[in-house]
Parts: sequence; C-alpha cells; structure tokens
Amino acid sequence: EAGVTQFPSHSVIEKGQTVTLRCDPISGHDNLYWYRRVMGKEIKFLLHFVKESKQDESGMPNNRFLAERTGGTYSTLKVQPAELEDSGVYFCASSQGTGGLGETQYFGPGTRLLVL
Amino acid sequence: AQSVTQLGSHVSVSEGALVLLRCNYSSSVPPYLFWYVQYPNQGLQLLLKYTSAATLVKGINGFEAEFKKSETSFHLTKPSAHMSDAAEYFCAVTPNHFNKFYFGSGTKLNVKP
Repeated sequence: EAGVTQFPSHSVIEKGQTVTLRCDPISGHDNLYWYRRVMGKEIKFLLHFVKESKQDESGMPNNRFLAERTGGTYSTLKVQPAELEDSGVYFCASSQGTGGLGETQYFGPGTRLLVL
Repeated sequence: AQSVTQLGSHVSVSEGALVLLRCNYSSSVPPYLFWYVQYPNQGLQLLLKYTSAATLVKGINGFEAEFKKSETSFHLTKPSAHMSDAAEYFCAVTPNHFNKFYFGSGTKLNVKP
C-alpha cells in the first residue's frame, strides 16, 4: 500500500511569488491534515479535511494560505504571495476516519519550502 | 489548552546504552499520546501510541513508553541503543474530542559507536 506522498520535495521561491504544494493521502483515508514546522520549532497544525470539507482550519496563519481538497482525494496548499516567514517544512498526514478518537495519522515526507 | 514539552533538543548515547527521551504534556482532558520518529529525508513514522488501555505501551524497534498520569509524562525508552536509532523523535498529544495533534519540539538522538 502506498503511503502519503507530497510534491514537490523541495521548493525555493522568492518573496512575493506563489507556490502550490500537493498531498496525496493513503487511498481510502477520509481525514487529511496539513502541518508545518518552522526551523527549530515544533510541528504545528494548519488544517484538517474530512473528505472534501474543511473540518478545522484554526491553524492557518492568514489569508495568504488557501487549502483545497478536490473530490475528497488529493489536497493542495497554496501560498500567495509567499513571505519569508513561510519558510519551513510542510507535512501532510492522513487517517482512515473510522470515527475512532486518537486515530493514527500517517505522515508524508514533507515539502521543504524556502522563501528568499 | 494542550501542549507538549520534550526536554532536551539533542540527546547523545553510546551504542548499547539506555535510551530515555522525555515527554511531558498538559491536557484539559485525558489525552491520546504518540511517539513518532523521523529518519533523514523521510516522513514521520509511528513508534507507538497510548489510547487509555495499558499504561506501558510497546512499540516497534524495541521502544516502549509508560503513561504516568500523576506526572503527566510519557517518556520513551529503549534498553539498548543501536546505531540505526539515530533520528529525530517527536512526542504528540491529541485530546479525546479533537483529532489534530499537538507536537513537542522534537529530540534528535545521536548514537555513538
């Protein structure tokens, strides 16, 4: 079974540009999460999809970030325009969504974003 | 409010020595607790999790963790370190009415030959 995949693995852009990150969850997983780790800090929650609906987007930093999940499958996270403080590693995770609390989340390898 | 504290951003042990990585949490409700490991250029991999069953949880690769409610701790241990254990380890908590994880800042484990 394929794991969570993320594309690209690395991205270097200039301040003011736009970047789109993609996440493909494990097939059949209803829950999809985005997290971010700024250098040296903890991994922080950004948002949570259940199928195609946003369940919780309390962690989104500001309106420069837009997340979508088309048809309840893959998800994209767009940053427009990018700022220096957006640099970090963006992780995607998915879980089955059978309704059990404390479900295991399966993480992708992350996208390393550097904004210059 | 939920939070996780991992004492020691870097821990170094000799091969064959005990590994002890500390995790303390604060949670307004009984939590679910997780340890994940990240090897270089890979995603986070689940080591073990506590879900209110047995307080001593055994995970993969010989790791285990004990949930101590009175100490609000969930420390990760392994009796004998192996070179392949060198990685970054993350403790995470999720309260029982949400699914989002709150992570600690991570501990990088170095294993010396």
